[in-house]
Amino acid sequence: KQEVTQIPAALSVPEGENLVLNCSFTDSAIYNLQWFRQDPGKGLTSLLLIQSSQREQTSGRLNASLDKSSGRSTLYIAASQPGDSATYLCAVRPNTGNQFYFGTGTSLTVIP
Amino acid sequence: NAGVTQTPKFRILKIGQSMTLQCTQDMNHNYMYWYRQDPGMGLKLIYYSVGAGITDKGEVPNGYNVSRSTTEDFPLRLELAAPSQTSVYFCASSYSIPAETQYFGPGTRLLVL
Repeated sequence: KQEVTQIPAALSVPEGENLVLNCSFTDSAIYNLQWFRQDPGKGLTSLLLIQSSQREQTSGRLNASLDKSSGRSTLYIAASQPGDSATYLCAVRPNTGNQFYFGTGTSLTVIP
Repeated sequence: NAGVTQTPKFRILKIGQSMTLQCTQDMNHNYMYWYRQDPGMGLKLIYYSVGAGITDKGEVPNGYNVSRSTTEDFPLRLELAAPSQTSVYFCASSYSIPAETQYFGPGTRLLVL
């Protein structure tokens, strides 16, 4: 069974800093990996979706990379802002089946 | 476009009661999902549907039932509620799997006492 881990569980940074969130998974046979943002009391919002054949995806100040062989993905946030404060979750989709496996998330606080 | 809507937002149940969590999407998506999120944990898939009349179990289906009579609606039924079902429930939909992104509803917070 796929296990997805996100470390650290919580992170505080001053405004303007660049930061990296980590996601690791145990089985490299994945179809894609997705990064989500979750605000308190809200649902999840998709940020970036990386197919297994891709190495990275970019959207604005966000850049997600994928290294299947090492079972890792990173989400890079440039020039962080207080509005980036939220929990960030990654989810992997294996090659077989219709299950998505979610990490437990990293809670990010950007201090003004 | 309302996206994915869920009702109710919050509910308290007594042990042994039953209830239905409603989920509706207006994006004409074929695929719909129910997840639960426990504190400090990732989301776990309860049930999913690939189209009207077709449902299948996810990782944690025990104690739940689903039906999919229309493309838009995917209700989740809890029979004989137990404290272990205290959680936040999210409904999601996508146009197809596996390549498409999922769109999530705002969640239903359920407390079983």
